Amino acid sequence: KQEVTQIPAALSVPEGENLVLNCSFTDSAIYNLQWFRQDPGKGLTSLLLIQSSQREQTSGRLNASLDKSSGRSTLYIAASQPGDSATYLCAVHPPEGYNKLIFGAGTRLAVHP
Amino acid sequence: DTGVSQNPRHKITKRGQNVTFRCDPISEHNRLYWYRQTLGQGPEFLTYFQNEAQLEKSRLLSDRFSAERPKGSFSTLEIQRTEQGDSAMYLCASSNLGVNTGELFFGEGSRLTVL
Repeated sequence: KQEVTQIPAALSVPEGENLVLNCSFTDSAIYNLQWFRQDPGKGLTSLLLIQSSQREQTSGRLNASLDKSSGRSTLYIAASQPGDSATYLCAVHPPEGYNKLIFGAGTRLAVHP
Repeated sequence: DTGVSQNPRHKITKRGQNVTFRCDPISEHNRLYWYRQTLGQGPEFLTYFQNEAQLEKSRLLSDRFSAERPKGSFSTLEIQRTEQGDSAMYLCASSNLGVNTGELFFGEGSRLTVL
């Protein structure tokens, strides 16, 4: 059974720091991996999607990497800002396709001025 | 706005009542998903539709839960005889089968509180 773990569960950093959020999954046979952002009481916003054949994706100050063989993904946020404060969730698609996602519990990020 | 739309955003009900949530997916998306999220946890898959066909249901979806997508467009999720344990955020997502990345786009969610 696929399990997704995110470490740390919570993180508080001063504005301007570069930071790394970690995601690990137990079964390396995945279709793709998707990172989301969730603001309190809101839905999920897709940040980056990495297909199983790719090793990384970049969007602005965000960079996500994927190492399928070790079952790990990282989300790198450069020059963090207070507006980055949110919960960040990673999710994997099982190999049989994109019929459902399996999520981690998320990392709650607070960036203080 | 052409994103995924969910209504109502908040619902407070008494135990034993029935509630219904509606989801309008992105217009060209043929796959629609329902997830449930409890406080401090990631979303859990409930069910998904391809066009009007319900193709998979999670064991989390008890007999009190029913989902429909009658014309392959909007979907409804009904919970009968609600229990306090049903209190959660119910999230809808959609994707386009023709796009092979499988990227899901989520709505703002419908928060249910059962008293």
